Amino acid sequence: GIQVEQSPPDLILQEGANSTLRCNFSDSVNNLQWFHQNPWGQLINLFYIPSGTKQNGRLSATTVATERYSLLYISSSQTTDSGVYFCAVLGFNTGNQFYFGTGTSLTVIP
Amino acid sequence: NAGVTQTPKFQVLKTGQSMTLQCAQDMNHEYMSWYRQDPGMGLRLIHYSVGAGITDQGEVPNGYNVSRSTTEDFPLRLLSAAPSQTSVYFCASSYIDTGYNEQFFGPGTRLTVL
Repeated sequence: GIQVEQSPPDLILQEGANSTLRCNFSDSVNNLQWFHQNPWGQLINLFYIPSGTKQNGRLSATTVATERYSLLYISSSQTTDSGVYFCAVLGFNTGNQFYFGTGTSLTVIP
Repeated sequence: NAGVTQTPKFQVLKTGQSMTLQCAQDMNHEYMSWYRQDPGMGLRLIHYSVGAGITDQGEVPNGYNVSRSTTEDFPLRLLSAAPSQTSVYFCASSYIDTGYNEQFFGPGTRLTVL
């Protein structure tokens, strides 16, 4: 399978601060997604980004497929950004199995 | 569109009991899958299906059965529940086309096995 490593594992921010979350993966991928799991457990799609850069409001993401990593940027963080952020990938060489990282737990304090 | 729906939301079983977790999607997605999430961990794939009549094992298939008789439904069966199967279960679906295969998740089922 594909190894997916996320860093940092935990992050505490003051409201208004910026942050960068990283996802490294061990093989070529044709799907990479970022999810936010809110405190109620719901998985919310943030970005579908197998390559390139996308932005959605205060969030943006960049995937450099050739170097096997993706970054999620959160600007001007808010308390509602708290939760766990997961990266998930689908490899070209791993059939139809998605692999998840273990997540970055973000706490934004007011 | 309702998206991906799961029932029940919560379930408590005794060791050895059986049950079926239901999953349905109304997006005509070919790909459906089941994951389990344990505390402090990411999601691990249990079983998946690329279309009606086709299923395959994921990373942690032991103790679970699946079938896919329609495009819309993908039930997960626990034949003899064990405490190690206490977890939160998520169902997901997507298109298979490699040009666009974004996954969408259901709200989850929280299962406790005593």
